[in-house]
Amino acid sequence: GAVVSQHPSRVICKSGTSVKIECRSLDFQATTMFWYRQFPKQSLMLMATSNEGSKATYEQGVEKDKFLINHASLTLSTLTVTSAHPEDSSFYICSARRQGSTEAFFGQGTRLTVV
Amino acid sequence: AQSVTQLDSQVPVFEEAPVELRCNYSSSVSVYLFWYVQYPNQGLQLLLKYLSGSTLVKGINGFEAEFNKSQTSFHLRKPSVHISDTAEYFCAVSTTSGTYKYIFGTGTRLKVLA
Repeated sequence: GAVVSQHPSRVICKSGTSVKIECRSLDFQATTMFWYRQFPKQSLMLMATSNEGSKATYEQGVEKDKFLINHASLTLSTLTVTSAHPEDSSFYICSARRQGSTEAFFGQGTRLTVV
Repeated sequence: AQSVTQLDSQVPVFEEAPVELRCNYSSSVSVYLFWYVQYPNQGLQLLLKYLSGSTLVKGINGFEAEFNKSQTSFHLRKPSVHISDTAEYFCAVSTTSGTYKYIFGTGTRLKVLA
């Protein structure tokens, strides 16, 4: 099966700093990548959809300037949480889909803690 | 727009007993249906999926699900659970064209008791 790798798996940062999370498709070209946020004991909420080489499409209520998404290549998308605050602490999960595929593959997730 | 409802937030069941986790969806267009399992602090693992064809879908770890279009349901079943099945289970739908973005249900916590 296709493998999606997310890095780092855990990160702790100070309030006011920025943190970058990487999502890589290891053995396929991902034309579309998705970023989700999951609060404790809750479901995954879609934050944005990104297509390689174009701007991400954000879901309603998600701040574009706070959650910067870049999908510069067919194997890499990044999510940067800018000026992080404790309320941004959460579990972030990416998924990737190859062109023509009906299935998306999920990364292992990143636990972000802002102190 | 699509939505997914998982009515049971928690399901306790004894080891070796059968289990059914319920999932209902709403959509004005055709959808694909998925069940994922999530262990603590981990990503999602695909259990099974329905794209088309036979309405009974078999997945990994002995799980199966049945797509019922008239009842807009996609319930997950396992005839005999193990302690290791304790996890969070998510039902999801995606559109069959366009971006194929996934919409998830709120999840069901399956707790298998010894």
